[in-house]
Amino acid sequence: SQTIHQWPATLVQPVGSPLSLECTVEGTSNPNLYWYRQAAGRGLQLLFYSVGIGQISSEVPQNLSASRPQDRQFILSSKKLLLSDSGFYLCAWSATGQGSAGDSPLHFGNGTRLTVT
Amino acid sequence: AQSVAQPEDQVNVAEGNPLTVKCTYSVSGNPYLFWYVQYPNRGLQFLLKYITGDNLVKGSYGFEAEFNKSQTSFHLKKPSALVSDSALYFCAVRDWYSSASKIIFGSGTRLSIRP
Repeated sequence: SQTIHQWPATLVQPVGSPLSLECTVEGTSNPNLYWYRQAAGRGLQLLFYSVGIGQISSEVPQNLSASRPQDRQFILSSKKLLLSDSGFYLCAWSATGQGSAGDSPLHFGNGTRLTVT
Repeated sequence: AQSVAQPEDQVNVAEGNPLTVKCTYSVSGNPYLFWYVQYPNRGLQFLLKYITGDNLVKGSYGFEAEFNKSQTSFHLKKPSALVSDSALYFCAVRDWYSSASKIIFGSGTRLSIRP
């Protein structure tokens, strides 16, 4: 069965410090990968998605970046955190392949709660 | 561009009564529609999806959703609410025509079931 791991679960970082959040998926190949941010327990904002190694689509201009160094690894980074970067970050994956890409639901990790102080 | 609207921030229902959580969408092509549930401090869990076919879709935990193309709606329903259904619910849409992989979520509706 497929599983998604996201860590750390919580993180407190000072303003101006770097950030690295990691997400890995097991039990599937060539997944679509996603990073979302949820503010104040409400709506999800799509930050990045990736359809393959090295292929990153950015949805919102900001001081965050994403990378996909391996097929099932997705990393969210920042060189210098801002207070506005605080939030709940969610990684997700969906299946790809013939007949399954469009109707494949997202499968989410348990999230990372980031507090920038 | 695709978009999703959940017009109600909160829905309050008495246990045992039917519930409806509303969702409307906008896409340029054929919509793939999804409902998810989120419990506190957790990731989202998939409930059900509409791709094609029967407009009434059944999903997990007794939930169902009705697709209405003319009204561009995909409302979530349950005939008899449980206290344990209290959570945050999200509608989402994927527009297969404009982008095969981009999935957009609504702002969420908090469902509160009182005993």
